[in-house]
Amino acid sequence: EVQLLESGGGLVQPGGSLRLSCAASGFTFRSEAMSWVRQVPGKGLESVAFLGFIAGRPEYADSVRGRFTISRDNSKNTLYLQMNSLTAEDTAVYYCAKGTGASSTFDSWGQGTLVTVSS
Amino acid sequence: DIQMTQSPASLSASVGDRVTITCRASQSIVIDVNWYQHKPGKAPKLLIYAASNLQSGVPSRFSGSGSGTEFTLTINSLQPEDFAIYYCQQSHTTPTFGQGTKVE
Repeated sequence: EVQLLESGGGLVQPGGSLRLSCAASGFTFRSEAMSWVRQVPGKGLESVAFLGFIAGRPEYADSVRGRFTISRDNSKNTLYLQMNSLTAEDTAVYYCAKGTGASSTFDSWGQGTLVTVSS
Repeated sequence: DIQMTQSPASLSASVGDRVTITCRASQSIVIDVNWYQHKPGKAPKLLIYAASNLQSGVPSRFSGSGSGTEFTLTINSLQPEDFAIYYCQQSHTTPTFGQGTKVE
């Protein structure tokens, strides 16, 4: 059974940093693309960062490019999202999502971790 | 980035109704569109991939169609558990989602 377990969310001040982790199990992590998708309260889903299973060029939403960095450690079956220069607009539930092969078709999702940016 | 425009933003339906949601892409994405169901406090769930393929375990009352720039999700005989928000998403380039359709 595929399991994705996010951690690292919490309260952070504007301008601060946070690193999210997603521990994956139940599938061959190194063979699947992965993504971070967020939902701002009352708004829709937004894919903020996407990374193929080969350590190629990550893809970012315009709203986070230059501030967020997605990475993966295939030896630890873990996906990361380093978030810097956070603003109130980054307050959201962040989901870890598994792609299918190289595709950004997300067939499994974690339960999400809440990030709140507030002073 | 490719923009995905969903309509309607919300709709009111009853159990047993047929529901249709439309998604339009800002450029051709062939058949690279997926549909998800999202309920409050839960993880999104993949329903349809590559425009018309039913994800394993998803009831057959859900179906998808379309190609190019116009896509449709249909729910035949709406069930109580289907009241949720539905999103389209393109996987042709950097992934983007539609704004969502609330079925209430």
